[in-house]
Amino acid sequence: AQSVTQPDIHITVSEGASLELRCNYSYGATPYLFWYVQSPGQGLQLLLKYFSGDTLVQGIKGFEAEFKRSQSSFNLRKPSVHWSDAAEYFCAARGGGSQGNLIFGKGTKLSVKP
Amino acid sequence: NAGVTQTPKFRILKIGQSMTLQCTQDMNHNYMYWYRQDPGMGLKLIYYSVGAGITDKGEVPNGYNVSRSTTEDFPLRLELAAPSQTSVYFCASSTVEEWDEKLFFGSGTQLSVL
Repeated sequence: AQSVTQPDIHITVSEGASLELRCNYSYGATPYLFWYVQSPGQGLQLLLKYFSGDTLVQGIKGFEAEFKRSQSSFNLRKPSVHWSDAAEYFCAARGGGSQGNLIFGKGTKLSVKP
Repeated sequence: NAGVTQTPKFRILKIGQSMTLQCTQDMNHNYMYWYRQDPGMGLKLIYYSVGAGITDKGEVPNGYNVSRSTTEDFPLRLELAAPSQTSVYFCASSTVEEWDEKLFFGSGTQLSVL
């Protein structure tokens, strides 16, 4: 069955430290991949997406993600975390040509220490 | 720029009551979606629509109904509310073009069924 796994439920990092949030997918073929962020009490906002081509994708707010086919992974990274990055992050995937079938991971909550 | 607007923001229902969650978007998007978000479970797709007059079931459609009479509006109906429907509900919309795919989310409706 198709699935998206985010192994870390909660991560705490110090402000200014680097960040990596993990995402693994299970699909028959390479899916389209997304990272969304949800601030408290808000809807989700797209950070970045990967469809094809360059495996290192740049997004908004200084985030990037790297697609690794061999590891079925699409990890999100940021070199230096800001206090405003505290939020919940969701990885999502869907197969090509199936707009209605976006599958979300369970999310990783990021806390930032001053 | 209103984007995706959901009403109400909060609602408490008694078991067996019915209600409609309203969703409207002003971006002329063809695709619209309803998700529910339960703690620690990510988002689950309830229903989606690829255009006016066309709707389809998502992963968790039982207990819900939708209609799409206009491009702008996509209401979600709960006919006989049950405690299992206590959740946060998000409406979203997106464009058709895959290369520009991006979900725009409303701010959510927190529903409690007691």
